[in-house]
Amino acid sequence: DTEVTQTPKHLVMGMTNKKSLKCEQHMGHRAMYWYKQKAKKPPELMFVYSYEKLSINESVPSRFSPECPNSSLLNLHLHALQPEDSALYLCASSQVPGTRIGEQFFGPGTRLTVL
Amino acid sequence: DAKTTQPNSMESNEEEPVHLPCNHSTISGTDYIHWYRQLPSQGPEYVIHGLTSNVNNRMASLAIAEDRKSSTLILHRATLRDAAVYYCILREDSNDYKLSFGAGTTVTVRA
Repeated sequence: DTEVTQTPKHLVMGMTNKKSLKCEQHMGHRAMYWYKQKAKKPPELMFVYSYEKLSINESVPSRFSPECPNSSLLNLHLHALQPEDSALYLCASSQVPGTRIGEQFFGPGTRLTVL
Repeated sequence: DAKTTQPNSMESNEEEPVHLPCNHSTISGTDYIHWYRQLPSQGPEYVIHGLTSNVNNRMASLAIAEDRKSSTLILHRATLRDAAVYYCILREDSNDYKLSFGAGTTVTVRA
């Protein structure tokens, strides 16, 4: 199974709402990632988890709160978002770098719209 | 991060080869050259990577210049399914988590 799944596929939320994005993989990968992709732009790294611990935070605003409850799951909790946060949120996973080249496997993304 | 330069777009006819260039004149000795592509409405997918030697896999070939300042991704027979944005990315070494995507090349395949 080389699939990364993300739920929901689409999400519309107001600026006062709290919502969560979910990502799951069963490839035994111990590195998981969140990326943000605005329309017509390349993906931008937000967070990296390695062995379920936050390894990289690319100066992401605190209204985005990642969580890695176990080695297969990655969540992104959303609170008090702004309309400019509307984007495609991509999850990815890989072997931990240093063990092999670390090809990243991406999910299809969650299309988020903030009203 | 080391930077790459790619053309904004390229067009090809179905069944013909596609050569996608990438310039990376500031590449360091430990940088790997990775290619990913993103089909419409999908997440990116890994295509191929290399360090110094040319590489082949079932999806594509990667030709790396002798001075490593440029590389070319070769799709041998383009299909409609190959229409995507292709990203050339440098990764510092095998210990680097980061994928820093540039603008990429949008490939259009004509039937």
